[in-house]
This record gives sequence, C-alpha cells and structure tokens, in this order.
Amino acid sequence: GAVVSQHPSWVICKSGTSVKIECRSLDFQATTMFWYRQFPKQSLMLMATSNEGSKATYEQGVEKDKFLINHASLTLSTLTVTSAHPEDSSFYICSARNVQGLGTEAFFGQGTRLTVV
Amino acid sequence: QKEVEQNSGPLSVPEGAIASLNCTYSDRGSQSFFWYRQYSGKSPELIMFIYSNGDKEDGRFTAQLNKASQYVSLLIRDSQPSDSATYLCAVPGGDSSYKLIFGSGTRLLVRP
Repeated sequence: GAVVSQHPSWVICKSGTSVKIECRSLDFQATTMFWYRQFPKQSLMLMATSNEGSKATYEQGVEKDKFLINHASLTLSTLTVTSAHPEDSSFYICSARNVQGLGTEAFFGQGTRLTVV
Repeated sequence: QKEVEQNSGPLSVPEGAIASLNCTYSDRGSQSFFWYRQYSGKSPELIMFIYSNGDKEDGRFTAQLNKASQYVSLLIRDSQPSDSATYLCAVPGGDSSYKLIFGSGTRLLVRP
C-alpha cells in the first residue's frame, strides 16, 4: 500500500515553545492530507484538512492560529503547534488519500507523540 | 455532521473464537465503510473496506454491511492474541475533501 511518513515519532518540548511535525506521502501525490489528534483511550479527532496550495480547513473548535498547517507541495504537509502547553500533549497523526488511484482508503503516518512539559 | 458509533468494549474472546465488532452510522447516504486496526501507541492500519450490501471476506476477516439498518460489522475468525487491538470504523465525510469520520473504536482482547 501507499506509504505516508511522519516525523518526528516523538517529541518533548517546553511549555511555550513551538513544535513542527512533518507528513510526507512517499509514493503518491496527495493534494489533500488530514491531521488528527488522539488523546489516551479516545478515538481520532480530525483537526484539519490540509490542501496543497491553499489554506487548510479547520474543524470546529480547533484554533487555526495555534495549529498552523502548511501544504506547500504535493508530498509534504506540516503541522506546527505554536506556544505549546501541557494540554496539547497528545498523539498527532496525519493521513493522506491517494485519490488518483483506484482505492479510496486513507493511509496513516506513524504518528507523533507530543509531550509538553 | 455524520456520526459513527461503536461500543467501546473491551470485547473479550478466547483464542480461536469468532470476534464480532459492530458499528452504526447516522448518514443513510454513506456509500463506503472502512475498518482500521490500531495497536496501542501506534497509528491505525487499514483492515478492510466495503461498499456493497452483504459480506466481504479477506482471510480471517469478514466485513458485513447492511445499509437498510445502517450498520457495518467486522468478524474475525480464529481470533489470535495478536488480534488484540482497538478496531475503528470509519465513513467518508461526504464532502469533496475525502476526509474520514471515525468511531470511538472497540477494544478487542483475545485471551490465550
């Protein structure tokens, strides 16, 4: 299946700093990528849809100025958590769908575990 | 907003038994359905997808779709301890963004 690579796999940062997470589609072009957040023992919650060459679409309740998304190329989307606080500690997962292929399933990156101390 | 509901579990079955996982969805217009498996601390991986009413089999896994009753299920035959994970049901968001809406997941525990 298609490969989506996410980096870093884990990060620890101090409260008030910013953290950037990268999501790359390795063998297909992804005009759209998705960013999810998952707290312990809870399901994936969609944060935003990242669109190549245009502004991201944020879900209700997600602060666009805190979670900056850039999708500058067909294979790379980045999520920057700005002024991180301990409550932002979570598992962040990106996904992409190869809408040019025959299948429509979403492929997920490995996830990034963010711990804000 | 579309909703996808699953029993959180845990569903506990003995090794070798059939595990049955269920999912209901709110949007009668949903056309495709996905089952993902997520091990603790890992990202989800696709198990199966189904579009048509009826059953779809892939190895030990069978997805069953009933659009009239708006539910989709996943059967795991000959359950193994390695099948212990959280199983997530997902449906497309219905707009042009191709996003997926996930249920809360059912935790499956297969006892040796």
